[in-house]
Amino acid sequence: NAGVTQTPKFQVLKTGQSMTLQCAQDMNHNSMYWYRQDPGMGLRLIYYSASEGTTDKGEVPNGYNVSRLNKREFSLRLESAAPSQTSVYFCASSVGGSVDTQYFGPGTRLTVL
Amino acid sequence: SQQGEEDPQALSIQEGENATMNCSYKTSINNLQWYRQNSGRGLVHLILIRSNEREKHSGRLRVTLDTSKKSSSLLITASRAADTASYFCATVPPTGNQFYFGTGTSLTVIP
Repeated sequence: NAGVTQTPKFQVLKTGQSMTLQCAQDMNHNSMYWYRQDPGMGLRLIYYSASEGTTDKGEVPNGYNVSRLNKREFSLRLESAAPSQTSVYFCASSVGGSVDTQYFGPGTRLTVL
Repeated sequence: SQQGEEDPQALSIQEGENATMNCSYKTSINNLQWYRQNSGRGLVHLILIRSNEREKHSGRLRVTLDTSKKSSSLLITASRAADTASYFCATVPPTGNQFYFGTGTSLTVIP
């Protein structure tokens, strides 16, 4: 039981490049989330998926897209990376949404030059 | 922003002492959750307290919630060096499916 896994762990991009961050959970959770964490800012929600087949914007969705591929997988795509997207990205999942606890992945550290 | 705010931003104590950190928030909530983050790692859930609860315990952790003051506190008793981490509160509004995290308290426990 691996919990929540994220790939890659580290990534360096040049401005304008695109990439997809992958997230998978093996706990049969319904809801999945993408956050970014910046120094002094705490975690901010980018997008979430309350259940398979649905996605919704969070606090800071601009510049990102998501896909809930199936119940296990939730990917985050940067179409044209910008230096302001340099951050640590965390994926999380929960059984039944915000009334339950979240389980976090180990994070992806992204640097955009 | 609906982010909560933790206070203090940083706290340094001796092993064995108690650590108290506070979280204030702005809007009504369904529940409030506390998480711990060790350096370079993901967040780990500690405790969830619902809006109709006033206090919860889990091992050496005690959480209180005062919805009239829109504040919560996390008490760690008899702290250990392994408690060194950042602690975040997350508020959940009555409707919707979002979590709003605070900016965190960095706790250092000196052996």
